[in-house]
Amino acid sequence: AQSVTQLDSQVPVFEEAPVELRCNYSSSVSVYLFWYVQYPNQGLQLLLKYLSGSTLVKGINGFEAEFNKSQTSFHLRKPSVHISDTSEYFCAVSDPVEYGNKLVFGAGTILRVKS
Amino acid sequence: DAGVTQSPTHLIKTRGQQVTLRCSPKSGHDTVSWYQQALGQGPQFIFQYYEEEERQRGNFPDRFSGHQFPNYSSELNVNALLLGDSALYLCASSLVLADNEQFFGPGTRLTVL
Repeated sequence: AQSVTQLDSQVPVFEEAPVELRCNYSSSVSVYLFWYVQYPNQGLQLLLKYLSGSTLVKGINGFEAEFNKSQTSFHLRKPSVHISDTSEYFCAVSDPVEYGNKLVFGAGTILRVKS
Repeated sequence: DAGVTQSPTHLIKTRGQQVTLRCSPKSGHDTVSWYQQALGQGPQFIFQYYEEEERQRGNFPDRFSGHQFPNYSSELNVNALLLGDSALYLCASSLVLADNEQFFGPGTRLTVL
């Protein structure tokens, strides 16, 4: 069964500093990878996704992620964070071969941006 | 273009009761998935519906059942509620021919007392 590990439960960072949220997934022949953000008491909003092709994926709000097949990682990065980036971030994986294409999520990382 | 909508927003039930949650998918989408998100955890897949049939199911007991209607909207039913069923229930919709991206609704917060 697929699994996702988000290595940090909380990441504190100062405003305008760079940040990296780490995500590792269990290996599979092929995977789709996603990062979602969840604002308090709201659903999930897609930040970016990797389906195939370039391993560097750019998303909304200045976020990007790099797919590393050898390390089975898909870390999320932003070069300069804002207070408004404070939220919880979820890494997810799906198997394009598996019928139904369900998402398997990590436990989440809370990003706290301090002024 | 309306996104995924869910009702109700909040719900309080007592142990042993039954509950029905509703979801309307994003316009043009034909597939609906349901997820349970317990406090402090990531969402867990419950099941997915396409063409009014359960297409795939996660590791949830039979107390959890669902339905999809001809207009693609969906219901999640939970019988014999337990305290552990307290969670945020998220609905996500997608298009079966391009189901690599799921769009999530705001969720229904269920509290079981």
